[in-house]
Parts: sequence; C-alpha cells; structure tokens
Amino acid sequence: QKEVEQNSGPLSVPEGAIASLNCTYSDRGSQSFFWYRQYSGKSPELIMFIYSNGDKEDGRFTAQLNKASQYVSLLIRDSQPSDSATYLCAVINTGNQFYFGTGTSLTVIP
Amino acid sequence: DAGVIQSPRHEVTEMGQEVTLRCKPISGHNSLFWYRQTMMRGLELLIYFNNNVPIDDSGMPEDRFSAKMPNASFSTLKIQPSEPRDSAVYFCASSLGLAGGGTDTQYFGPGTRLTVL
Repeated sequence: QKEVEQNSGPLSVPEGAIASLNCTYSDRGSQSFFWYRQYSGKSPELIMFIYSNGDKEDGRFTAQLNKASQYVSLLIRDSQPSDSATYLCAVINTGNQFYFGTGTSLTVIP
Repeated sequence: DAGVIQSPRHEVTEMGQEVTLRCKPISGHNSLFWYRQTMMRGLELLIYFNNNVPIDDSGMPEDRFSAKMPNASFSTLKIQPSEPRDSAVYFCASSLGLAGGGTDTQYFGPGTRLTVL
C-alpha cells in the first residue's frame, strides 16, 4: 500500500465550476498535510497546509482534512484556466518521512 | 530572498560519467531535501538533512548515489557512475524545520533536468 494515493485523473472541469481533488494516506498518525501545485516543466509550489481536522480556506482554495477516514481534499472554487496544473498531495507521517502522491492532473476548460 | 538555488539547470552526460548536482537552500532553513521526479514514479524523496546531518537516506536508489551537506548553505547530490535510467528532474527543497506548524513547509528549487545518454 502506498503512503499517499491520489486519483491521477485527468480531471476536467468547466471554467467557474468547483474542482475537487482527493488524497488518502496510510499512516493514521500522520500530522502534517500539504497541497502543492505543479505547472508543466516547473517545480512544485505550495498552495496550503493543514494540520487539524476540518476545513481551512484561503481565497478560492479550501483544504479539508478528515483524520478518522484518512483523507485530505482540496476544493478549488470558481476554477480558472490558470488553475490547470498537476496537484500534489504530501504527507509527513509519524516517522517524520515526507511522501508525495503521484498527483492529479486538472484541466479547466474555458 | 532568492529562494532555493540549484545548478546546473540542465545536464546532459554520457553513461558512466560522474554527475554532481548542487543546491543552496533558503537562508535560515535548517532542513534540506533531495527529490527525483519521473513520469513513471512521480516525485520521490531521495534523502533529507536536518542541521546538515543526514536523517533519512532510505530513498537513495543505490550506492551510485551520494549526498553531502558540508555547511548550512550548500549541498551536493552525486551520481557515479551515471546510467540512462537516472535521467529525471532532480529537485532540491528546504524548510525551516520539521516541527509542524508550518515550519515543515518545503520550498522547491527550479530543478535540474538530467539526461544520461
């Protein structure tokens, strides 16, 4: 079982819609969770981190963490073509090991 | 701040040659990470350092790979001898620390695209 799993997609949504990206992790004791965005040919850049159960909002982005079910999700409201990228979920587990998912490719269609 | 700096940005070499990748972390960051990214395997952590000490090198694929961090502002990843299957983008990242609360957020350099012929 992989430490972090994501649906590789591709996920396509129309402009203005909500994009929902999901991630599950295997280590129940994991404490730190991150979402990164990576444009083609570029390095990953942090969107947001979340440590506590519940929702965390930052502009059009909302991260949701459910430790009981071991999933973390990212919602992008009012999706824009500039949001088209690969989204990487990352987790730091109880052993202080940092794992990335393989990423979900998102395309926002104008 | 200049962010994480990596050099070279592109490297093309022949099988069997030694390759050295370099990284300068963000000033004040105590943790440094080396990753490899390929289409097939995604982003893989190779090794990370905390306060210049290697903490976890379990991701280093084999003895051909070695990494050093002689001081807080410089790290190298060396491949000797290189093989075509080492072709990938190698990222360096740094964070303030490992303690959570946002201090463990990693910031990535631009990467080095390595091609081994």
